[in-house]
Amino acid sequence: GENVEQHPSTLSVQEGDSAVIKCTYSDSASNYFPWYKQELGKGPQLIIDIRSNVGEKKDQRIAVTLNKTAKHFSLHITETQPEDSAVYFCAAISDRGSTLGRLYFGRGTQLTVWP
Amino acid sequence: DAGVIQSPRHEVTEMGQEVTLRCKPISGHDYLFWYRQTMMRGLELLIYFNNNVPIDDSGMPEDRFSAKMPNASFSTLKIQPSEPRDSAVYFCASSLREGQEKFFGPGTRLTVL
Repeated sequence: GENVEQHPSTLSVQEGDSAVIKCTYSDSASNYFPWYKQELGKGPQLIIDIRSNVGEKKDQRIAVTLNKTAKHFSLHITETQPEDSAVYFCAAISDRGSTLGRLYFGRGTQLTVWP
Repeated sequence: DAGVIQSPRHEVTEMGQEVTLRCKPISGHDYLFWYRQTMMRGLELLIYFNNNVPIDDSGMPEDRFSAKMPNASFSTLKIQPSEPRDSAVYFCASSLREGQEKFFGPGTRLTVL
């Protein structure tokens, strides 16, 4: 099955700086890559996603890049704010074959933004 | 829509007791997922349903775990008998179609003493 690796596990940045979280995946059939933000005591919430036919996607201060050849994708947060502090999860899924429906998560990155 | 609803939000029980977690997916969503989150193992998929039918239960850890979806608006995850190592946060999620965004509920924090 798919194996998603996520780094770093913790990340501390100063308010206003950028934060980058990186993930790799193993299954070349994976074609959908969502990123989730989980605040304390809440369930994960989708913040941005990208499909394999796109190399980059941006939504205000957050962006995601995908390198299909290298099988890695990254989350970029610019001009970080204290409210960006949370655990971020990357995930990968294939909508083909026997893994249909199974969303594979990375282990998460605890991002702390210091004011 | 109120989003995915889970109950209870917190459950504390003693080893050996039966525990039932409940989930109401977003109306119209065809897929329902049960996840478990622990510090050691992260987010694990336990089972998922499509149109009320279990599709993949390979993540269910043991026979002590069972899940049902009697109709499109309700699902349960039951642990009988519960053990301390079952302590975790259990999330229910739903999605409109496969490969689409999954909406997570707030989770049930289970503590088995």
